[in-house]
Amino acid sequence: GAVVSQHPSRVICKSGTSVKIECRSLDFQATTMFWYRQFPKQSLMLMATSNEGSKATYEQGVEKDKFLINHASLTLSTLTVTSAHPEDSSFYICSAEPEGNSYEQYFGPGTRLTVT
Amino acid sequence: GESVGLHLPTLSVQEGDNSIINCAYSNSASDYFIWYKQESGKGPQFIIDIRSNMDKRQGQRVTVLLNKTVKHLSLQIAATQPGDSAVYFCAETLNNDMRFGAGTRLTVKP
Repeated sequence: GAVVSQHPSRVICKSGTSVKIECRSLDFQATTMFWYRQFPKQSLMLMATSNEGSKATYEQGVEKDKFLINHASLTLSTLTVTSAHPEDSSFYICSAEPEGNSYEQYFGPGTRLTVT
Repeated sequence: GESVGLHLPTLSVQEGDNSIINCAYSNSASDYFIWYKQESGKGPQFIIDIRSNMDKRQGQRVTVLLNKTVKHLSLQIAATQPGDSAVYFCAETLNNDMRFGAGTRLTVKP
């Protein structure tokens, strides 16, 4: 149980285009989902926390208009990288927190974004 | 492109030896700690957790030690195997806010 999927696993896009990444909790409901960004050889950096049905809370330094997060249901959150630039190339990982359990997070497999 | 950041600390051990990976956490009020394993190109996988009211917890081949006095967490892996090669992150949690440590790359030599 407690499986989180991400789609796509890899994406290559051109500068100026937008890319949407989906994060789904497959066998549980998640009131809260988290989006992380990871640079090579570095730890995970929390970008934002999204709660179902409300606006996401962004960490300091993360542009909310650049990284649009939508958590429309208890099993799906999406991250859209708008007007992507090469510096947005990174590994994006989501995690989901089961409803009623604030101490556990289950991670998705990550999405490798390359902007050319 | 992606920024070039700091290199992760590395630990190299011989297959069969025990490994100890250390982590210093930042918030003395953190009440829940987790160790994650991340293999290349994959998301983190849960290994073991510990709450702040404990100082030791054992799993299968892994033990986590918590020293709240010096805000230190360690992960011990017994009889390290090649499949244990990965990056290991500790995470501290307080009030639904999880923060990750820098990570340590473990390499197991056959």
